[in-house]
Amino acid sequence: EVQLVESGGKLVRPGGSLRLSCAASGFAFRNAWMSWVRQPPGKGLERVGRIKSKLDGETADYAAPVEGRFTISRDDSTRTLYLEMNDLRIEDTAVYFCTTDPDSNSSGAFDSWGQGAMVTVSS
Amino acid sequence: QSALTQPPSASGSAGQSVTISCTGTSSDVGNSRYVSWYQQHPGKAPKVIIFEVTERPSGVPDRFSGSKSGSTASLTVSGLQPEDEAHYYCCSYAGRNNWIFGGGTKLTVL
Repeated sequence: EVQLVESGGKLVRPGGSLRLSCAASGFAFRNAWMSWVRQPPGKGLERVGRIKSKLDGETADYAAPVEGRFTISRDDSTRTLYLEMNDLRIEDTAVYFCTTDPDSNSSGAFDSWGQGAMVTVSS
Repeated sequence: QSALTQPPSASGSAGQSVTISCTGTSSDVGNSRYVSWYQQHPGKAPKVIIFEVTERPSGVPDRFSGSKSGSTASLTVSGLQPEDEAHYYCCSYAGRNNWIFGGGTKLTVL
C-alpha cells in the first residue's frame, strides 16, 4: 500500500523559512517523479512543483508564484521528499500535500496523496 | 495559467444524478487526454476518482463517470449517495510540464 506522510508544518513569520518532509513507502520511490500540491484554507489546489527521478536527471520545476523561493529535493536512500521554503509570504499559507507526479504515473493523474502539512505564515 | 472553471456548487437529491462541468481552453482540456477528477471530503486529502477523461481507478463506484466535449470536461455522479457530499476538483495537463486544477465544486446531497 502506498503511503505518503508529510511533516514539518508550523506557524512561521513572513520572510521566514521552513522545510517540509514527506516519508514514502509502498512503491518504488526511486523511480517516481514526485510533486508538492498546496491548498490555501477554503480554496482550490495548486501544484507547487515537482522533481524527477535520479534516473531522469533529478531536476525540479516550480510554479511561478514560488519560483526562486522554494526548492524541492529528494533522498532516495531514506525514501524522503523535501520542500524547502524561503522568504515565506502570507499567501503561502496552505496545506501542503506530497503526491506522486502524473508525468510518471501510468494514469496521468495525481494517484497518491499524503494527509497534508499545514503551513501558516503570519506575524 | 488560469485555473479551470467549475461551478462553485452543485446539488441533487439522494438517488438522482448530477453533472459537474470543468471548462478550459484548447491549450489544456481541449487538447489533452489527461483530464482527471478528485473527490475531497473535509479535512482529508483529495482522492482520484476519474483519470484519462473517462477511466475509473479500481475501487471507485461505477456511479462516477467522466466525459469530455471540446474544452469542457464533465463528471457525472449517478444515484447520489450521502457519502458523495464533498468537494470535487478537475485537473488537466496544460503542456510544458504544467498541470492545472479547477477551482472546485461543492456537491451537496439534499
